[in-house]
Amino acid sequence: DAKTTQPPSMDCAEGRAANLPCNHSTISGNEYVYWYRQIHSQGPQYIIHGLKNNETNEMASLIITEDRKSSTLILPHATLRDTAVYYCIVGGSNYKLTFGKGTLLTVNP
Amino acid sequence: DADVTQTPRNRITKTGKRIMLECSQTKGHDRMYWYRQDPGLGLRLIYYSFDVKDINKGEISDGYSVSRQAQAKFSLSLESAIPNQTALYFCATSDLGQGYNEQFFGPGTRLTVL
Repeated sequence: DAKTTQPPSMDCAEGRAANLPCNHSTISGNEYVYWYRQIHSQGPQYIIHGLKNNETNEMASLIITEDRKSSTLILPHATLRDTAVYYCIVGGSNYKLTFGKGTLLTVNP
Repeated sequence: DADVTQTPRNRITKTGKRIMLECSQTKGHDRMYWYRQDPGLGLRLIYYSFDVKDINKGEISDGYSVSRQAQAKFSLSLESAIPNQTALYFCATSDLGQGYNEQFFGPGTRLTVL
């Protein structure tokens, strides 16, 4: 599976959009980009995934560059409860999710 | 009720003891997984199972064993616990036929080996 690079930490003001970047320059054509988050020491939670097109669901939007070498997760109106570690993971439809260290997003009041 | 449950939620044990962590799911998923997480690190895969008769080692299976008693139950055993197995353990499930890898995680078991 392709490796991902994320900033170790980011801050965001409550109510503003949080934009979390991820680089995955070695992604292959059949690999998805997945985003999960982990709030404190709870079990990770799936947020969204995409292959080529931008995706949006009730939690977030995922913007994937045309060359697929990077992506951005957007939380449109961040709340204090969005403070968490966000993991960008690249992988196929098989079993494997490789979790790196992720980005600690802190939403400030 | 939670879809993926883990018992116990917290456990303190001594070096050399055998311990079992249990996971149950009501999602009807075929695939189940055990991960461990050490402080400040991401999750690492210990074992995974695609169905009751299919069990596979992950990246860090040494010192662990598993049992898939039924589609809904997947247990992780530490045969002889050692202090560096102190960690947060997560069980997860996923749907075989979904076409992408959305995994649902349990709340975790915090294990301390003294």
